Amino acid sequence: AQSVAQPEDQVNVAEGNPLTVKCTYSVSGNPYLFWYVQYPNRGLQFLLKYITGDNLVKGSYGFEAEFNKSQTSFHLKKPSALVSDSALYFCAVIYNQGGKLIFGQGTELSVKP
Amino acid sequence: EPEVTQTPSHQVTQMGQEVILRCVPISNHLYFYWYRQILGQKVEFLVSFYNNEISEKSEIFDDQFSVERPDGSNFTLKIRSTKLEDSAMYFCASTYDSYEQYFGPGTRLTVT
Repeated sequence: AQSVAQPEDQVNVAEGNPLTVKCTYSVSGNPYLFWYVQYPNRGLQFLLKYITGDNLVKGSYGFEAEFNKSQTSFHLKKPSALVSDSALYFCAVIYNQGGKLIFGQGTELSVKP
Repeated sequence: EPEVTQTPSHQVTQMGQEVILRCVPISNHLYFYWYRQILGQKVEFLVSFYNNEISEKSEIFDDQFSVERPDGSNFTLKIRSTKLEDSAMYFCASTYDSYEQYFGPGTRLTVT
């Protein structure tokens, strides 16, 4: 079955430290991968995507993610976390054009001063 | 910057009542979607709409649900007879190229 897994419910990081939020996906065709962020009582905001090309993609607010086909992973990273990065992060995948986004269960990122 | 809008932001209704959730997608977008998020859970796909018809629907999207794009700008989700378990945040999304989906701020539906 097509699925996305985010193995950590919560990630805690000190401000200024690097952060990683993990995501793995099930193999089925050619996946297109996304990260979205959700702030409290807000909608989902697009961060970055991997469609094709360079495995390292850069997105909004200094975030980046690396597509690793052999490990079926698409981990979200940032070199230096900010307190304002604290939010709920969702990894998602599309398997066909026009298709639905399949979301992971979300990871709560908490960045402490 | 264009954005997806949704109304109302919060809807409270009694069990068994009909509700209509409204969305205005970004104007040149071609694909439209509804998702929902039950409190504390992940975002789930409900239905996708392209070329004036449903292109895919989930098992959640039963006969109680329907979608419409009545006038070329609005995109509505109707729940015919609401149940307690329909309480959730409902998100509309749209895309032009079928990859990056832009989400609205959501409608919080509370069924009492």
